[in-house]
Amino acid sequence: QKEVEQDPGPLSVPEGAIVSLNCTYSNSAFQYFMWYRQYSRKGPELLMYTYSSGNKEDGRFTAQVDKSSKYISLFIRDSQPSDSATYLCAMSWGEDDKIIFGKGTRLHILP
Amino acid sequence: GAGVSQSPSNKVTEKGKDVELRCDPISGHTALYWYRQSLGQGLEFLIYFQGNSAPDKSGLPSDRFSAERTGGSVSTLTIQRTQQEDSAVYLCASSLVAANTGELFFGEGSRLTVL
Repeated sequence: QKEVEQDPGPLSVPEGAIVSLNCTYSNSAFQYFMWYRQYSRKGPELLMYTYSSGNKEDGRFTAQVDKSSKYISLFIRDSQPSDSATYLCAMSWGEDDKIIFGKGTRLHILP
Repeated sequence: GAGVSQSPSNKVTEKGKDVELRCDPISGHTALYWYRQSLGQGLEFLIYFQGNSAPDKSGLPSDRFSAERTGGSVSTLTIQRTQQEDSAVYLCASSLVAANTGELFFGEGSRLTVL
């Protein structure tokens, strides 16, 4: 079993819809959870960062962490065509600096 | 620019040749990471530097891969006797201090194709 599981998609939704992206993980020692966005032929960029469980909101983006279920989510409200990208979840223990990434979900927002 | 710079952006080489990939991190960033991204795969961790030291080399796929960092700045990833399975995008990232807060700043990558 991989440490971090993420459905690669692609996921296609109409403009304006709410998008839900998810990852599961196996290592209960993970404490830091991140979402990165990667446009084609570009490096990933940090979108959201959460420590431990709970929710974090930033504009149209909400990150949720459920440590009891080992499940994290990213919600995008009022999705825009410019949100079309690959979204990678990532997590780390905090005891060292190794960050483990999921495979990424390709998202297409249809105008 | 002020971002992470990687060179070359594209490299085509023949099987068996050696290649060097360069990463110039953001000035003042002490942590530097190398990842590999293959088609349909996520980011595969290769190696991490804190200053010039590499506390974690566990991700290097084989002894054909090596990396060094000098002056706490520029890093070079070297692949010897390249194989076709080495074809991938090699991404470098840097962070101001410890990166467990998730704030990695990535370059645009070096796309390696081994024929």
